[in-house]
Amino acid sequence: QSVLTQPPSVSAAPGQKVTISCSGSSSNIGNHYVSWYQQLPGTAPKLLIYDNNKRPSGIPDRVSGSKSGTSATLGITGLQTGDEADYYCGTWDSSLSAYVFGTGTKVTVL
Amino acid sequence: EVQLVESGGGLVQPGGSLRLSCAASGFAFSNYEMNWVRQAPGKGLEWVSQISSGGKTIYYTDSLKGRFTISRDDAKNSLYLQMNSLRAEDTAVYYCTRSQCSSTSCFRDYWGQGTLVTVSS
Repeated sequence: QSVLTQPPSVSAAPGQKVTISCSGSSSNIGNHYVSWYQQLPGTAPKLLIYDNNKRPSGIPDRVSGSKSGTSATLGITGLQTGDEADYYCGTWDSSLSAYVFGTGTKVTVL
Repeated sequence: EVQLVESGGGLVQPGGSLRLSCAASGFAFSNYEMNWVRQAPGKGLEWVSQISSGGKTIYYTDSLKGRFTISRDDAKNSLYLQMNSLRAEDTAVYYCTRSQCSSTSCFRDYWGQGTLVTVSS
């Protein structure tokens, strides 16, 4: 059972925007930076956002991240069919001395 | 180019053991923390273990302590996961990942393609 909670699924039409929430606590999101990972069907996860809002090289600026208190949000604008994937948040948990992933969110492009 | 290539997965009987390996290339392996992350069929990601650069600091997810052992050989640019007393619920794809961690930041920036471990009689 994950300590980071995400909605199971979100969907939007091509060109629209989706946001994915990640809710945690003071022992994880509240005191640590959040990262986000994209997992396309049948492939390994890939880093999408790190340190709450930084994008690795090659990630387009239509992908964004933010954090407020004990929650974080991933946003994807200009949605494309290639964005259909599972998305996971992740961060360190000081109480558990463990890295924790969110429950995962499936993005569907209608 | 950073590459992480896992090997050692396969079919094992309940109670058996398996040793996973991860061959790293394209970066200064000894300078980075390394991890294992697993994903059961149709399920989400589960962090398994992390080992610091130099190997002195090791963390495990609570449910696996005592059964799994992470290690590294910097001379061979390799990461290992020794898995003992395997159970059906350990069936998963196991990913090797590189991480960058500080006191407040920790993220997995490169992932291997994974190796499938199936525990079944």
